[in-house]
Amino acid sequence: AQSVTQLDSHVSVSEGTPVLLRCNYSSSYSPSLFWYVQHPNKGLQLLLKYTSAATLVKGINGFEAEFKKSETSFHLTKPSAHMSDAAEYFCVLFYGGATNKLIFGTGTLLAVQP
Amino acid sequence: DTEVTQTPKHLVMGMTNKKSLKCEQHMGHRAMYWYKQKAKKPPELMFVYSYEKLSINESVPSRFSPECPNSSLLNLHLHALQPEDSALYLCASSLGQGIPQETQYFGPGTRLLVL
Repeated sequence: AQSVTQLDSHVSVSEGTPVLLRCNYSSSYSPSLFWYVQHPNKGLQLLLKYTSAATLVKGINGFEAEFKKSETSFHLTKPSAHMSDAAEYFCVLFYGGATNKLIFGTGTLLAVQP
Repeated sequence: DTEVTQTPKHLVMGMTNKKSLKCEQHMGHRAMYWYKQKAKKPPELMFVYSYEKLSINESVPSRFSPECPNSSLLNLHLHALQPEDSALYLCASSLGQGIPQETQYFGPGTRLLVL
């Protein structure tokens, strides 16, 4: 079965400190994984995606994620948080086939304290 | 240009009204999607159009009626909605070529309130 689990519903960090948002997946196939960000009252913006080319994926705004097959994880990190990073983050698994369906995690709300 | 536009940004309607949401993209994408997102929840897929044909209907009530008049435009017609239909409605598009890991590009959404 295909599923995505975001381990933290809320994460709070101080500005300038590292960010870690955790995501685990379950997939019968070689997975394709995405991280999307949603700022308040906005649509979703793609941060990065893993498509089996490289296990360390760099995205926009200094974010990166590492695909670890042995741990079935795809955690999102950033070395230094900025106030503008405060948003909801979704880890997403590509269900694939002819349907192009996405399976969304429940989201992690990132708060950045000054 | 990776932009998906949606109008209106906000919509308030009564339960007897008929209204439409509009989504547009000019990226040459041939797959378009409607999602519904309730507060503090992830988006839920409603419909998928592939090459202007409805390919997925996720058992959505008939008071929601999608339409894809051409490859750039996607509408969602609303009629006799219920207050629980109040949500953010997101449109997305992707290449639609059946390529694995296709990126879906999302619009900003229409925030709908049903009174």
